[in-house]
Amino acid sequence: DIQMTQSPSSLSASVGDRVTITCRASQSISDYLNWYQQKPGKAPELLISDASSLQSGVPLRFSGSGSGTSFTLTISSLQPEDSATYYCQQSYDVFTFGPGTKVDIK
Amino acid sequence: EVQLVESGGGLVQPGRSLRLSCTTAGFPFDDYALSWVRQTPERGLEWVSFIRSKAYGGTADYAASVKGRFTISRDDSKSIAYLQMNSLESEDTAVYYCSAGHLPGTFAHWGQGSPVTVST
Repeated sequence: DIQMTQSPSSLSASVGDRVTITCRASQSISDYLNWYQQKPGKAPELLISDASSLQSGVPLRFSGSGSGTSFTLTISSLQPEDSATYYCQQSYDVFTFGPGTKVDIK
Repeated sequence: EVQLVESGGGLVQPGRSLRLSCTTAGFPFDDYALSWVRQTPERGLEWVSFIRSKAYGGTADYAASVKGRFTISRDDSKSIAYLQMNSLESEDTAVYYCSAGHLPGTFAHWGQGSPVTVST
């Protein structure tokens, strides 16, 4: 199976900060990469599909980029409601998720 | 409004069976692939199974850890998906989420989750 890693595992940032989360695949997955946001006690929500396609209703401060084995999720101006855990997931082969990045607000 | 509601979870002894249901509304069920994803604090999010729409053959696939024990199915007339889980093991303990998407690997819509505990 394709292994997904994320860095950092957690971060703390201030409102208005630019935040970047990195996701790496153990082999090339082209752009078959999705990003999810999960808040405590809730199901994950799809933010970005195919590495960079923002889902309907997702704020424009979220963006995704990358291809092959390296991908990033960027929050251009962190808001209080963005406090959550973010997961990447590859859909190239047997579907696997990254371990998550917990984002806290300072 | 898109809705997915899981039911059927609970406490079950090792070796026994359980069937989860995913009742949906608010989207064209028969056009979507349906998946089950589970989550534990130890292993995180883990894809379990998907079933394609009838237009794409209605075929299913499974994670290696559940293949031969779990069976996914769908009833397009009722907009419900099922996960039949047999020979349950303690490692199957998790919150099970139902998810829908145009493609099997993109989990666009999620239910609220149904906890399954396999224990004596």
